[in-house]
Amino acid sequence: AQRVTQPEKLLSVFKGAPVELKCNYSYSGSPELFWYVQYSRQRLQLLLRHISRESIKGFTADLNKGETSFHLKKPFAQEEDSAMYYCALSPIGTDKLIFGTGTRLQVFP
Amino acid sequence: DVKVTQSSRYLVKRTGEKVFLECVQDMDHENMFWYRQDPGLGLRLIYFSYDVKMKEKGDIPEGYSVSREKKERFSLILESASTNQTSMYLCASTQVGRTNYGYTFGSGTRLTVV
Repeated sequence: AQRVTQPEKLLSVFKGAPVELKCNYSYSGSPELFWYVQYSRQRLQLLLRHISRESIKGFTADLNKGETSFHLKKPFAQEEDSAMYYCALSPIGTDKLIFGTGTRLQVFP
Repeated sequence: DVKVTQSSRYLVKRTGEKVFLECVQDMDHENMFWYRQDPGLGLRLIYFSYDVKMKEKGDIPEGYSVSREKKERFSLILESASTNQTSMYLCASTQVGRTNYGYTFGSGTRLTVV
């Protein structure tokens, strides 16, 4: 079965601390993986995608096929990073997205 | 600025009512999607459409139907609303084969069924 697991519902850190939001997936093959973010009172939006290997707002995510993980990392959290983060998987050959249950990141001053 | 517009931000309906949630996009996207967003459950796909008059069931289609008569408009219909359909409903769109560029989401409709 195709599934995305985000084990943490809530992650709280202080400003300047490192952040790692965990994402594991279940998929037989090489999926396309994404992180989406929803800031308070804003629309859900794409943060980054594994295929482009980019860093957005200081966040990076590395696909580990052996561990079937796609964890989101940032070395120094900022208060404005507080948001809901969703990991998502797109099965190859489809335009569908399968989302995880989300992790709320709270960054305290 | 490209947009996905959901006609209502908040709706309150009574159990048993037929409910229409409307979504319009101005980007000429072929694909449109309806998700429901619940705390602890994330986003779950209800239905999607990859062309006019075409539709496919998602993971939780029971109690819902959809209509896509025009490319820009995708409607979600609750045939007989029930309290367990109280949720935030999100519409999204993307071009065919362009999921890598991200979905464009609407701002959501928070539906309360009483």
